[in-house]
Order: sequence, then C-alpha cells, then structure tokens
Amino acid sequence: KQEVTQIPAALSVPEGENLVLNCSFTDSAIYNLQWFRQDPGKGLTSLLLIQSSQREQTSGRLNASLDKSSGRSTLYIAASQPGDSATYLCAVRPQSNTDKLIFGTGTRLQVFP
Amino acid sequence: ETGVTQSPTHLIKTRGQQVTLRCSSQSGHNTVSWYQQALGQGPQFIFQYYREEENGRGNFPPRFSGLQFPNYSSELNVNALELDDSALYLCASSRDSYYEQYFGPGTRLTVT
Repeated sequence: KQEVTQIPAALSVPEGENLVLNCSFTDSAIYNLQWFRQDPGKGLTSLLLIQSSQREQTSGRLNASLDKSSGRSTLYIAASQPGDSATYLCAVRPQSNTDKLIFGTGTRLQVFP
Repeated sequence: ETGVTQSPTHLIKTRGQQVTLRCSSQSGHNTVSWYQQALGQGPQFIFQYYREEENGRGNFPPRFSGLQFPNYSSELNVNALELDDSALYLCASSRDSYYEQYFGPGTRLTVT
C-alpha cells in the first residue's frame, strides 16, 4: 500500500531564506508526482508535476526533484517571501491505479517579514 | 477558459441527513475525481468518474455515491451523515482519467 510522508510538518522562516520541503513514498511504481499549494480553507493549486521518467521540474523560484528509486522528492523554494506562506502538499499517482492521487499530510510553511 | 467550480461553498447538516455536492468540470475535461480532506490531513480519494461511469473508488462506504452528467459535471451524494463526514470536499477535473487533475475551491461540510 502506497504511503506518502512529508517532513517537516511545519516550518517557520524569515523572508529571503531558501527552503527545502521533503516528500517520501513507499512504493516506487509511480506514474508521476505532483506538488500543490493550499491556502487555508481553499482548494489546491498545482505547482509542479514530474513524470516518472523525469528528474526535476522548475517554475520560477520553485524546483522539484524526483528520485524514484529511493522514493523521495524535494521541493526547493528560493528566496522565500511572505506570500509563500501556505500548506504544501505532495501527491503521487500510482502506476497501478492512475485514477487517483495519494497525498501526504503536507508541510505548513510560514514566512515572516 | 472557466476553471473547476463547486457548489455550495459551505454547508451545515445534521447527523443522519443526506447531502449533495456539485462540481462543474473545466472545459474540455471528461473526468471528475472527488476527494475528502479532514482538518489537518491530506485529501483522500473517494472516487473518479470518467465519461459518466465510475472509474475507480477509494476506501469509502457505499453511502458515498456519485453521478456524472453528459456535460461531465458531477455530483457527490452522502447519505446518513456522520460527524466524521465533516471535511472539505474537493473536486478535480482532468482531460482524461490519467491526465493532470485541476482542483476546484472545495465545499466545506459541517455535520452537527
């Protein structure tokens, strides 16, 4: 059974810091992995999607890497800003059940001025 | 291009009642997936509808049911509501069953 874990559960940093959020998964047979952002009480905004054949994806100040064999992904946020404050969720799409996403419990990030 | 929309935004129901949540998929998308997100948790997959048929289901009891209409909008129905059904219900649409999913804003259900 695929399980997704995110560490740390919460993070509070001053503005300008570079951050690394971690995601690990127990079954390497994934179709893709996706990082989302969620503001309090809101829906999910997709940040980056990495196909199983890819090693990383970049969008602006965000970079996500994928090491399928070790069951790990990291989301790197450069030069953090207060507007980055949100919960970041990692989700994997299993190869055997491509209909669903399996989510971690998220990392709650606060960036203070 | 209109994104995924959900209605209502908030809902309060009493234990034992029934509820229907609605989702309009993004233009060009034929697949809708539903997720339940309890407070402080990640979303849990309920089921997926692809071209009006249920295409996959998570570990939810039969009192959670759904429909997809010819225009690919969808409903989630929950019967015999329990206190633990209180959650944010998220709908996501995609171009096909295994394509990237785009999420709506969610419906916050409170069961008292």
